[in-house]
Amino acid sequence: RKEVEQDPGPFNVPEGATVAFNCTYSNSASQSFFWYRQDCRKEPKLLMSVYSSGNEDGRFTAQLNRASQYISLLIRDSKLSDSATYLCVVNTNAGKSTFGDGTTLTVKP
Amino acid sequence: DAGITQSPRHKVTETGTPVTLRCHQTENHRYMYWYRQDPGHGLRLIHYSYGVKDTDKGEVSDGYSVSRSKTEDFLLTLESATSSQTSVYFCAISLRQGARDGYTFGSGTRLTVV
Repeated sequence: RKEVEQDPGPFNVPEGATVAFNCTYSNSASQSFFWYRQDCRKEPKLLMSVYSSGNEDGRFTAQLNRASQYISLLIRDSKLSDSATYLCVVNTNAGKSTFGDGTTLTVKP
Repeated sequence: DAGITQSPRHKVTETGTPVTLRCHQTENHRYMYWYRQDPGHGLRLIHYSYGVKDTDKGEVSDGYSVSRSKTEDFLLTLESATSSQTSVYFCAISLRQGARDGYTFGSGTRLTVV
């Protein structure tokens, strides 16, 4: 079993839809959590950190559930430009980062 | 955008040849990393550096070496390239130890070993 697991998708949604991704992790010592966005043949870019209390940045909401060991990313009012692969990253306090394989989102007109 | 550049962007090399990839940053970040990205494996850490001449192995370090003689430069060397090292290589920097503030990645190097 992988330390960090994501549904690879693809998720195909129409413009304006709300879509949610989950990412589960197995290491209970995990301390910090992130979502990255990666466009085709480009580098990953930090989208947002995930805080215990949940956090929001415009149309994006990230949440952490420590008890069930997962993080989530919610995208509201999807835009064509949201089409990308979304990577979750889990860090332990020792500084080890584990990347998920990514979830692919395609937003269609 | 953060000043982090990788060179070359693309390279094709033959099995058994040495290859060096370069990462250069202008952010003066202490922490630098080399990752490789392959389908089905996510990004995996090859080597990382905590400062000049201070490096350590990641989870997939076999066949790779690194050097950091200046804060701004982090070199990755494939001693004798093999086909299994065909991959996309990303350099990354972080301000805080363990990337607790997240990573900034370079644009990547697509390496093909034939």
